[in-house]
Amino acid sequence: QSVLTQPPSASGTPGQRVTISCSGTNSNIGSNYAYWYRQLPGTAPKLLIYSNNERPSGVPDRISGSKSGTSASLAISGLRSEDEANYYCAAWDDSLSRPVFGGGTKLTVL
Amino acid sequence: EVQLVESGGGVVRPGGSLRLSCAASGFAFGDYGMNWVRQTPGKGLEWVSGINGNGRSTGYTDSVMGRFTIARNNAKNVLYLQMDSLRAEDTALYHCTRNYFGSGTYYNPPGYWGQGILVTVSS
Repeated sequence: QSVLTQPPSASGTPGQRVTISCSGTNSNIGSNYAYWYRQLPGTAPKLLIYSNNERPSGVPDRISGSKSGTSASLAISGLRSEDEANYYCAAWDDSLSRPVFGGGTKLTVL
Repeated sequence: EVQLVESGGGVVRPGGSLRLSCAASGFAFGDYGMNWVRQTPGKGLEWVSGINGNGRSTGYTDSVMGRFTIARNNAKNVLYLQMDSLRAEDTALYHCTRNYFGSGTYYNPPGYWGQGILVTVSS
């Protein structure tokens, strides 16, 4: 049982915009920054978003993050086949004194 | 380019020990907090342990407290995880991770991840 709650799956067609939600509590997302990762099968997770809405160098601007209260969201616009992957959210949890993760969302590009 | 390469995994019997190593390159190792995060199909991603840049502050998830020890050698740019009294539920892919910010603390989710090393605890 993951501390952060994500939908297990999401889907979209090429060119569409999809969003993935991440629900937490006041001790994690509600009081700390949200992070988002993409993981392709057999590879390491790659950071897409840090500090709720900041993109590391090299991450395209069609990928964006937002936070409201105890929930965060990842949006991918102009969906491409290479976006098909697993997506995870994360945040530091003040009560648990450790980073916590979502269970992951498998994005399918139809 | 940040590179994190894990080694030391394998198959071990319950109650046994393993020492994981993570060779880091491409950044000023001592400036960054480091963490071990494990991944399983059933439990997903789980933070295991963290250490700050100078090695003086560490943290562990409850299930490994007293059994695992995290350490680092800043002269050699290597992160370690000594795993003792291993249990079947420790079976996982173990990722070495680096914090995104060079604040020295490990109090943030990871920024960079290694590919991971498989640890299997089985009789």
